[in-house]
Amino acid sequence: QKEVEQNSGPLSVPEGAIASLNCTYSDRVSQSFFWYRQYSGKSPELIMSIYSNGDKEDGRFTAQLNKASQYVSLLIRDSQPSDSATYLCAVGVYNQGGKLIFGQGTELSVKP
Amino acid sequence: GAGVSQSPRYKVAKRGQDVALRCDPISGHVSLFWYQQALGQGPEFLTYFQNEAQLDKSGLPSDRFFAERPEGSVSTLKIQRTQQEDSAVYLCASSSRGGPIFGEGSRLTVL
Repeated sequence: QKEVEQNSGPLSVPEGAIASLNCTYSDRVSQSFFWYRQYSGKSPELIMSIYSNGDKEDGRFTAQLNKASQYVSLLIRDSQPSDSATYLCAVGVYNQGGKLIFGQGTELSVKP
Repeated sequence: GAGVSQSPRYKVAKRGQDVALRCDPISGHVSLFWYQQALGQGPEFLTYFQNEAQLDKSGLPSDRFFAERPEGSVSTLKIQRTQQEDSAVYLCASSSRGGPIFGEGSRLTVL
């Protein structure tokens, strides 16, 4: 079992819809959770971080964390074609410094 | 600088050559990471520095890979006797608190 799992997609949503991206992780002592966006041929760009259970909102993005169920999700409201990218979930483990374990990423396509 | 700077952006090496990849982190960032990303995959952890101390090198795939950060700022990832399987994008990231910020990466192609 991979430590951090994401559906590879592609996930296709129409413009203006809500895109929902999911991630599960295996290590129960994981403490920090991040979402990165990666455009084709570019490097990952940090878009959200979340550390405690519940929701965290930043503009059109909402990160949701449920440590009991070991999942973290990212919602993108009012999706735009410019949101089309690969979204990477990353998990930091307690006592491993800043080391992050990444999922393989979910490709999102927003259709006009 | 304003962001993490990596050089060279592209490197083509013949099998067996040594390469050195440079990372200049965001000023003041204590933590520095190297990741390797293959096409279609998420980044894979290679090594981590806190200031000049290399605290974790568990992800380095072989003893041909070596990283240093002698003055706690600029870091170099060196790959000796490159092999075709070393072809990938090498990403450097730095952080103070919060999630690491990535540079643009160095794309290595080994022929």
